[in-house]
Amino acid sequence: DAGVTQSPTHLIKTRGQQVTLRCSPISGHKSVSWYQQVLGQGPQFIFQYYEKEERGRGNFPDRFSARQFPNYSSELNVNALLLGDSALYLCASSLPPQGGSPLHFGNGTRLTVT
Amino acid sequence: DAKTTQPTSMDCAEGRAANLPCNHSTISGNEYVYWYRQIHSQGPQYIIHGLKNNETNEMASLIITEDRKSSTLILPHATLRDTAVYYCIVRPTSGNTPLVFGKGTRLSVIA
Repeated sequence: DAGVTQSPTHLIKTRGQQVTLRCSPISGHKSVSWYQQVLGQGPQFIFQYYEKEERGRGNFPDRFSARQFPNYSSELNVNALLLGDSALYLCASSLPPQGGSPLHFGNGTRLTVT
Repeated sequence: DAKTTQPTSMDCAEGRAANLPCNHSTISGNEYVYWYRQIHSQGPQYIIHGLKNNETNEMASLIITEDRKSSTLILPHATLRDTAVYYCIVRPTSGNTPLVFGKGTRLSVIA
């Protein structure tokens, strides 16, 4: 079975530009979460979506936004890119978001902002 | 902030059992202990989770102390492919609380 797929795998952008990252969850999973991982740190929570509604948001500025589509895929958008946005962006999917439902992660999109 | 404490790094000889400790002294009765690992340049991989009882699957065993204040992840026969950063995470049983990652333990399996 296909796992969580993310595209693109790598991306280089310039400061001030905008970027859109894409995620397809595991078939049957209706919840999608986004995490940011900077070098040397553990992943940090950005957003969670379930049934196309935002169910949680981490401590990130309004430049970060996301949405979930009827097929449960998701996009993460980042506007006005800063050098500090350079990171690995991870998408994870799960069955209905409950504590006993493990998150399954994709291999991420490596974003470099120059 | 992460509610767990893990050693920064550990070494293990190939073929031997790797025992990764985690301290979660402030865990409440309605929180799971989760373990993930992250191999270089990949996303975190779910390993196992448990509440009170010890758990075992095809990847690992999870031993939780009776007072639930600490746990140990056991990889019974470590291979070079088990070299990774291992994260121990505490997560509520209900609701949709996101995973809170600490810095994890960097396990190096040595031939």
